[in-house]
Amino acid sequence: EDQVTQSPEALRLQEGESSSLNCSYTVSGLRGLFWYRQDPGKGPEFLFTLYSAGEEKEKERLKATLTKKESFLHITAPKPEDSATYLCAVQARDDMRFGAGTRLTVKP
Amino acid sequence: DAGVTQSPTHLIKTRGQQVTLRCSPKSGHDTVSWYQQALGQGPQFIFQYYEEEERQRGNFPDRFSGHQFPNYSSELNVNALLLGDSALYLCASSRDREGEQYFGPGTRLTVT
Repeated sequence: EDQVTQSPEALRLQEGESSSLNCSYTVSGLRGLFWYRQDPGKGPEFLFTLYSAGEEKEKERLKATLTKKESFLHITAPKPEDSATYLCAVQARDDMRFGAGTRLTVKP
Repeated sequence: DAGVTQSPTHLIKTRGQQVTLRCSPKSGHDTVSWYQQALGQGPQFIFQYYEEEERQRGNFPDRFSGHQFPNYSSELNVNALLLGDSALYLCASSRDREGEQYFGPGTRLTVT
């Protein structure tokens, strides 16, 4: 069965303290892997799409990478406004499957 | 350029009632997907509409049904509401069936 697992569930960082979020997946027929940011009570905001192993995308303090079994979202020198839940989703043959997310808190 | 819009924002219904949620896709998008998100969980795929037909469906009962109109907007209908149907319902649109999806703000449904 297709599965998407994100770790850790929650992460607390000090402002400027870089870290990485993990998304591991088992999917048959991967069509793409997506990262989203979600603020409380709002819809997910699209960040990145990755299609093949070795691919990398960057946006401001965020960098997403992809291997055949997992993806990482690297956050460099985070700021308090980066606090949110980060969701990973995998487009499989039949549906889009989301992980439960990593809740990131960045303290000033 | 308007993004994905959803209505209503909030809704309170009684167990056993029926509800209709609405979604207008982002300009240039022809595919609409619906998701249910319980508190503290990731979105769960309900179904996807393309060319006015349901193309894919997640593991949801037949009480959940939908429709897509010629202008690509969509409705989600839920019959015989259960307490467990309380959640944030998200609509997402995309240029094609496997492209990146852009989400609306969601409709918060509370069933009492």
